[in-house]
Amino acid sequence: RKEVEQDPGPFNVPEGATVAFNCTYSNSASQSFFWYRQDCRKEPKLLMSVYSSGNEDGRFTAQLNRASQYISLLIRDSKLSDSATYLCVVNGRNTPLVFGKGTRLSVIA
Amino acid sequence: ETGVTQSPTHLIKTRGQQVTLRCSSQSGHNTVSWYQQALGQGPQFIFQYYREEENGRGNFPPRFSGLQFPNYSSELNVNALELDDSALYLCASSLEAGRSYEQYFGPGTRLTVT
Repeated sequence: RKEVEQDPGPFNVPEGATVAFNCTYSNSASQSFFWYRQDCRKEPKLLMSVYSSGNEDGRFTAQLNRASQYISLLIRDSKLSDSATYLCVVNGRNTPLVFGKGTRLSVIA
Repeated sequence: ETGVTQSPTHLIKTRGQQVTLRCSSQSGHNTVSWYQQALGQGPQFIFQYYREEENGRGNFPPRFSGLQFPNYSSELNVNALELDDSALYLCASSLEAGRSYEQYFGPGTRLTVT
């Protein structure tokens, strides 16, 4: 089982839609969780850290479910500029960060 | 912009050659991690340097080596290049080496091995 698994997508949604991504992780001892965004041929950029209590940043909401070992990202009122690959990231057993393969989102006008 | 810089931006090498990639960390950050990102994959951890010492290594062969300098900039060296080494190489800096610290990426070096 991979340490971090994501649905690769693509998710094609119209502008204004709400879209949710899920990610599962295998290391029950993981304590740090993040969502990164990566535009085509660019570096990953930190979108938000994910806390146990859940957190919200504008149109973005992240949730953590430790019992089920999954993390979610909800994007409300999607914009064309949200089109990117979203990477789920957790701290690994032997590595600082383990990245999922990413979920590709395309927001269509 | 994160303040993390990498050079060169692009590089083409021949199989068997050696390459050195460079990274300058964000001001105030003492930890640098290196990742390899193949097409369609998430970044894979190569190793991390904290205060000039290697502080963890991923599943990469010894021909991948690195170092960190007193100003916390870092180099990644790859010997005996193979075709599968073609990838985007990313460095990321963080405030400290602890796992809870967020990492900030540089723009990457795109290496092509022919």
